[in-house]
Amino acid sequence: GENVEQHPSTLSVQEGDSAVIKCTYSDSASNYFPWYKQELGKRPQLIIDIRSNVGEKKDQRIAVTLNKTAKHFSLHITETQPEDSAVYFCAASSGYQKVTFGTGTKLQVIP
Amino acid sequence: KAGVTQTPRYLIKTRGQQVTLSCSPISGHRSVSWYQQTPGQGLQFLFEYFSETQRNKGNFPGRFSGRQFSNSRSEMNVSTLELGDSALYLCASSTLAGSNTGELFFGEGSRLTVL
Repeated sequence: GENVEQHPSTLSVQEGDSAVIKCTYSDSASNYFPWYKQELGKRPQLIIDIRSNVGEKKDQRIAVTLNKTAKHFSLHITETQPEDSAVYFCAASSGYQKVTFGTGTKLQVIP
Repeated sequence: KAGVTQTPRYLIKTRGQQVTLSCSPISGHRSVSWYQQTPGQGLQFLFEYFSETQRNKGNFPGRFSGRQFSNSRSEMNVSTLELGDSALYLCASSTLAGSNTGELFFGEGSRLTVL
């Protein structure tokens, strides 16, 4: 089955700096790669996603890149703000809503 | 539009008992998935239902089962509870009907504690 590895497990950055979270996946059939943000005590929410026919996608301060050959994808957050502090999960899916999540990255943005 | 609703929110059981958790998806969503969230393992896929059919199952023992009703509401059951079953159980619904995967809309979860 699919295996998704995520690094780092914790990340501290100064407000205004950039944050990068990296993930690798094992199943070459995976074609959908979402990122979810979970604030403390709240439900996970989708922040950005990318499909395998696209190499990069941006949404304001957030961007995701995908390298299908190397089977890795990354989340980039620029100009970080305190409200970006949360746990971020990468994930991969080959279809039918079966989503395999990474183990999460706890991001702390220091004001 | 109401979000995904899970009941109960909190429950405490003892080893050997069984538990049933309920999930009402967003109106119009026919796909319902279940995930187990623990601090060390993150979110682990349990199973997914679409139109009352289980389309996918994760790597959990047979003690974990589920079903979906004609109104898309879903239940999951865990029998013969073990201490390791203590976790937050998240339900998620989705609009997609075909083979593609799309955004998951999560409920707030049911926090199960097994003593």
